Amino acid sequence: NAGVTQTPKFQVLKTGQSMTLQCAQDMNHNSMYWYRQDPGMGLRLIYYSASEGTTDKGEVPNGYNVSRLNKREFSLRLESAAPSQTSVYFCASRHSYEQYFGPGTRLTVT
Amino acid sequence: GEDVEQSLFLSVREGDSSVINCTYTDSSSTYLYWYKQEPGAGLQLLTYIFSNMDMKQDQRLTVLLNKKDKHLSLRIADTQTGDSAIYFCAESYSGYSTLTFGKGTMLLVSP
Repeated sequence: NAGVTQTPKFQVLKTGQSMTLQCAQDMNHNSMYWYRQDPGMGLRLIYYSASEGTTDKGEVPNGYNVSRLNKREFSLRLESAAPSQTSVYFCASRHSYEQYFGPGTRLTVT
Repeated sequence: GEDVEQSLFLSVREGDSSVINCTYTDSSSTYLYWYKQEPGAGLQLLTYIFSNMDMKQDQRLTVLLNKKDKHLSLRIADTQTGDSAIYFCAESYSGYSTLTFGKGTMLLVSP
């Protein structure tokens, strides 16, 4: 099992560009999450999906959209990137009380 | 709202014990977790404790929970250089609710 995979690993965008961060898990988990990690801020929840077909806002959803494409995949879209969205983005899936994290996508917006 | 606080940095020598502390505000927190993040990697669950427990031991790791003071600690015995990482405390209301993370404690272990 690959666990939770994320693509790309690194990305540089110009302000105003759009992109989609991809996440997939092969553990048949119902719940999936998107977090951003900024220095000194810990992890903050952007959006989550408790099950296929549902999505909910987290603590910092502004400027992002998500799609739960199927049980395996949960994507995060930036429609018009801003420098404030420079961060490391982590996807996670959950089974019972344990969350399993992907390796992260490091995004820089110039 | 929910809040989880941790000290930001801890430095110890190899072989010493490390104690990382965390406080939380939500008295309804049922699950309390410790995650480890190594450089350039995602988070990995180290251990967890339920709110009806006072202590949990797992090899070199000991978790202590003081529910009255809403204080959680992680003790690492015989700390090794490979333990150098960022340690996150997190809490949730149930096994299926979202997690609230602290800002993380960077542990630096020197030889």
